[in-house]
Amino acid sequence: NAGVTQTPKFQVLKTGQSMTLQCAQDMNHEYMSWYRQDPGMGLRLIHYSVGAGITDQGEVPNGYNVSRSTTEDFPLRLLSAAPSQTSVYFCASSYSNQGAEKLFFGSGTQLSVL
Amino acid sequence: KQEVTQIPAALSVPEGENLVLNCSFTDSAIYNLQWFRQDPGKGLTSLLLIQSSQREQTSGRLNASLDKSSGRSTLYIAASQPGDSATYLCAVSGYDYKLSFGAGTTVTVRA
Repeated sequence: NAGVTQTPKFQVLKTGQSMTLQCAQDMNHEYMSWYRQDPGMGLRLIHYSVGAGITDQGEVPNGYNVSRSTTEDFPLRLLSAAPSQTSVYFCASSYSNQGAEKLFFGSGTQLSVL
Repeated sequence: KQEVTQIPAALSVPEGENLVLNCSFTDSAIYNLQWFRQDPGKGLTSLLLIQSSQREQTSGRLNASLDKSSGRSTLYIAASQPGDSATYLCAVSGYDYKLSFGAGTTVTVRA
């Protein structure tokens, strides 16, 4: 079973470049979300979606955009990369409300912005 | 704002010893609490989910307790094995269903 698939696994960007982190799930989950994980800190919610066509901001949304055109896909776009966005990014999904059900995570994207 | 703390940040135990991992949170109005395991370079795997109305959950060698009034949860891992070496994170869900994560405790089980 594929579960939650994230691509790429590693990425290096220059300041000001843009890119899209891909996330797909094959479990027909309604809820999908993006987190970033920084050393010594807990995961922080960037954006989340409660279903196709519906997205909302999390704790740290600035500099990121999302869209949800299908149930399966939830890409995260960095508009103009900054060194402060160097982090490990995780996509996660759950069957219903992300806090009410077990959360399934992708394997992460390690992003470095120079 | 919910604050979740896990102390210590790291611990090392010999194989066979029982592990006790702590998680504390500042707002007792929680919907549930989850414990996750994270292996190096990997995503998080949900281990146990405790609803706010429950006191504990068990799965194999793992047992998690929840005391909402004191803002604490404890994850017990019995008879630790080298394969239990990982980072363990707890996350609390408020009634807005958003998760607040602790920074984790990195466990090393020495053979």
